[in-house]
Amino acid sequence: AQKVTQAQTEISVVEKEDVTLDCVYETRDTTYYLFWYKQPPSGELVFLIRRNSFDEQNEISGRYSWNFQKSTSSFNFTITASQVVDSAVYFCALSEAASGTYKYIFGTGTRLKVLA
Amino acid sequence: SAVISQKPSRDICQRGTSLTIQCQVDSQVTMMFWYRQQPGQSLTLIATANQGSEATYESGFVIDKFPISRPNLTFSTLTVSNMSPEDSSIYLCSVAGTKTYEQYFGPGTRLTVT
Repeated sequence: AQKVTQAQTEISVVEKEDVTLDCVYETRDTTYYLFWYKQPPSGELVFLIRRNSFDEQNEISGRYSWNFQKSTSSFNFTITASQVVDSAVYFCALSEAASGTYKYIFGTGTRLKVLA
Repeated sequence: SAVISQKPSRDICQRGTSLTIQCQVDSQVTMMFWYRQQPGQSLTLIATANQGSEATYESGFVIDKFPISRPNLTFSTLTVSNMSPEDSSIYLCSVAGTKTYEQYFGPGTRLTVT
């Protein structure tokens, strides 16, 4: 059965610290997609990244980086030198290609608080 | 990425009434989704709304309670019927790229039922 687990409910860090948000997924599909979204207090979900199951290359975008490891079914998200504006709820999501539905399975989210 | 707008952005409604939420996209898209996000919770998919077919509802959601229309490739509505305080949530629509699987979300409608 498909599932996305974000075990960290809430994380607090001081500004400029690095922080890693964990995401562990379960799927039987060989082709799937993983995503990260940011939901700031305004409520809108902001797309951050998509990763295909056949592409394990890690990615860096500015202060953001993602570590995809199929061996451990994890897709972790690291923010380097965190800033107050990074405070938000972050969601990891999975979409399975075989279903043909394009539906997402969302994790429960991790609330990140960056303190000045 | 698509630009998505929702109306209303928020509303306070009396129990027993209905509210229709509109979702407008700036480009033609095949796949649209409606989600509910209860306070402090993750997103739960209500239904998939594809143009030209009936909406497909997820377990726990029924058409009588959440009727959906999808008259064209840029527009959809979700109605929350016979509302109760338990329906107080954020309702979001999203659209999917069929080649990329990415979903882009509207700003959401914050509904409070009193």
